[in-house]
Order: sequence, then C-alpha cells, then structure tokens
Amino acid sequence: GAVVSQHPSWVICKSGTSVKIECRSLDFQATTMFWYRQFPKQSLMLMATSNEGSKATYEQGVEKDKFLINHASLTLSTLTVTSAHPEDSSFYICSARPIAGQGNSPLHFGNGTRLTVT
Amino acid sequence: LAKTTQPISMDSYEGQEVNITCSHNNIATNDYITWYQQFPSQGPRFIIQGYKTKVTNEVASLFIPADRKSSTLSLPRVSLSDTAVYYCLSGSGGYQKVTFGIGTKLQVIP
Repeated sequence: GAVVSQHPSWVICKSGTSVKIECRSLDFQATTMFWYRQFPKQSLMLMATSNEGSKATYEQGVEKDKFLINHASLTLSTLTVTSAHPEDSSFYICSARPIAGQGNSPLHFGNGTRLTVT
Repeated sequence: LAKTTQPISMDSYEGQEVNITCSHNNIATNDYITWYQQFPSQGPRFIIQGYKTKVTNEVASLFIPADRKSSTLSLPRVSLSDTAVYYCLSGSGGYQKVTFGIGTKLQVIP
C-alpha cells in the first residue's frame, strides 16, 4: 500500500532554534500534501496545504512566516518551524494523496513528529 | 463548521461487534466517506472508504444509506488492540483539503 515516511519521529530543540520536518511519499507521487498539528487529547488541526511547485495555502491563524513549507518535488514536502517556542511543542503529522485516481483516493499519513521545545 | 458528527466515545467488550455512526447531513454529491483509525502518537491509518450502500474489506464494513446523510462503521469482534480513535471524514478528494472532526474514542474492555 501507499506509504508516507515522516522524519524525524521525534525531536527536542531549544527555544529560538529552527526545526525541519520531512514528509516523503515513498511509492507514489503526490501533487498535494497536508500538514496537521495535534495537541494531546485533541483532534488533528489542519495547518496548511502544500502544493508542489507553488506556495502553500495556510489555514487561518497559522503564521506562514513561522511554519515554512516547501514542496519541492512530487514526493517531498518539508515543514520548518522557525524560532521555535515551547508553545510550538506538539505532534506534527503530514499526509499525501496519490495523484493516480485522485478523485477518491484516500489520504495516507506519516507517523508523525513529536516536537518538544525546551 | 464540522462536516461530520460522531459520538465522542464508546465502550465495548472484547469479541463484540462495534458500530460507530457518523452524521454528514450536508454531504455533497461528489463526496466520499472515509474512516481512519488513530493510535496514540501515530498518524491516522486508512480503514475503509465508500460512496453508497455497503463496502466491506478485511477489517471493517461501511454502511451508507440511500440518502447518504449518515454512515456506520462496523468492526466485527473487536479486540483490545482496536482501542483507538476513529475518524469519519467526507470529501471529494483531489486537491480538496481534509479537516478532521473530534473523532470517536473506542475503548475495548477485556
């Protein structure tokens, strides 16, 4: 089945530093990838839609200059949390939908990245 | 505004069949219904998808009535490892963004 690889699975960083999270579709191409954030005991919150070759579309309330998204190829999207602060500590999850049969293809999710900012 | 509504939580004993119903009163003509399962500290995992009537795979069945305003995920003979949060989503795929509701936390009891 379709596999989405997310790296790293966890990261601890100091306040003020930046962290990059990679999301790769391993066996399919994805024009569009989605980035979510999930706080404890809550549902997934969509942060942004990452489109290959164009600028990402951010949800209301998500700072585009803080959460930089780059979708450089049909198999790779990256999320960079810039100048991280403790309140950015969360579980970040990416997802992708295969181009083929995109009309009703379900999303495939990475296993998430646990970010802890100290 | 949430597109789908589900019960917040459910409990079930091992070996029982579990049915989780989702309401999607404003479902669009092109929308499919998709169910995901999520364990703690993991990404959601695709379970099943359907458009109408009944769909069955190796892990679950999905029932969608003719008006498509609701759907029911059926898990046969649940085990402790089925304890998870289950999300019901509606959408037409493609480039359309996907937003999650609160999901249903299923607790399977020995």
